[in-house]
Amino acid sequence: DAGVIQSPRHEVTEMGQEVTLRCKPISGHNSLFWYRQTMMRGLELLIYFNNNVPIDDSGMPEDRFSAKMPNASFSTLKIQPSEPRDSAVYFCASSLVQGFQETQYFGPGTRLLVL
Amino acid sequence: SQQGEEDPQALSIQEGENATMNCSYKTSINNLQWYRQNSGRGLVHLILIRSNEREKHSGRLRVTLDTSKKSSSLLITASRAADTASYFCATAGGTSYGKLTFGQGTILTVHP
Repeated sequence: DAGVIQSPRHEVTEMGQEVTLRCKPISGHNSLFWYRQTMMRGLELLIYFNNNVPIDDSGMPEDRFSAKMPNASFSTLKIQPSEPRDSAVYFCASSLVQGFQETQYFGPGTRLLVL
Repeated sequence: SQQGEEDPQALSIQEGENATMNCSYKTSINNLQWYRQNSGRGLVHLILIRSNEREKHSGRLRVTLDTSKKSSSLLITASRAADTASYFCATAGGTSYGKLTFGQGTILTVHP
């Protein structure tokens, strides 16, 4: 299995631009998680889906952030408009939920720099 | 404060020594997991311990769980330079959707 795939791996953009991050979970997994990691705030859960349905988006910092999961093999996290404080590494993770022993498999992350 | 807080924040040891990291949490859990993150990479699952287990081993890793104290420890024996990474504990509980709550992590540096 290729694991969780994220694209792009690096993104440099200017303040005000739209940024779209993409994630392909492991085939067969039914939960998908978006995280943001910074030195100051650590690892933050932004939103997660189960069977393509958003379960909890309380971690999404502002209305500028939105996430979709149109099917079981693809999810996007969009920031519009982007701001310098959005600079961080964004991780996508997936898991197969079967009771209470699920582990998460993380992608390599997208390193975002907003100038 | 946050579920899953690690202690110490940073640990520096020599190759061959043992490394012990601790994690405390606040609410009831179904299981507790430990993850490793190498610099610039995603997190990688190391080991899971269920709430009804007290100790678990995997290779050079030993995890203990004390639900009465709401704490866990991760012991890495005979450490290697390749063990240099950040280590996170994560707790699971209350949902069936696989959500984990991660701590802030312990930065482990193993000097050759």
